[in-house]
Amino acid sequence: GEDVEQSLFLSVREGDSSVINCTYTDSSSTYLYWYKQEPGAGLQLLTYIFSNMDMKQDQRLTVLLNKKDKHLSLRIADTQTGDSAIYFCAETPNNAGNMLTFGGGTRLMVKP
Amino acid sequence: SAVISQKPSRDICQRGTSLTIQCQVDSQVTMMFWYRQQPGQSLTLIATANQGSEATYESGFVIDKFPISRPNLTFSTLTVSNMSPEDSSIYLCSVAGVEAYVPTDTQYFGPGTRLTVL
Repeated sequence: GEDVEQSLFLSVREGDSSVINCTYTDSSSTYLYWYKQEPGAGLQLLTYIFSNMDMKQDQRLTVLLNKKDKHLSLRIADTQTGDSAIYFCAETPNNAGNMLTFGGGTRLMVKP
Repeated sequence: SAVISQKPSRDICQRGTSLTIQCQVDSQVTMMFWYRQQPGQSLTLIATANQGSEATYESGFVIDKFPISRPNLTFSTLTVSNMSPEDSSIYLCSVAGVEAYVPTDTQYFGPGTRLTVL
């Protein structure tokens, strides 16, 4: 079955770069997503990448995909205190309709 | 993207009672989903809400415990029945098929309903 894994916790200083990592097992995934969840809030879609791409950049966010190793990362440049949140990666397994499989989430703490 | 609202935003309920959560979208969407997020955990899909027919439930979730309605393309409800403290979670609805220029699988989430069962 599908399995998406993330490290639990990341702490960085304000202004540094953050890199959040994710591994997945379903090599037939078509899209991979990053969501952000602030305390007491729902999930906010940050970005997505198609499985035949290896990089996507959107302002401070850079997504890297290594399909061979089934590894996805999210880099946040110039991390701010407002970036403190839980970040979830998710994949869309092939032949699973619109279903998303989520990782366990990485809690990012940004210290001033 | 679509504006998604949920009611109530939070509630505290007694065990044995039921709570109905509403999800409203400001535009017609093809797909609507219900998720549960237990404290400190990731999201687990409960079911896909199908317009005009019975919801499609994931393994471990049954209609008697989580009845779902979807009378039209902009609205759905999830009922948590005969609640116990183990049902204390955040319940989130999501929608897909909202925008023309993103993958059709892309899901957008409501703000969630935080449920505490005493």
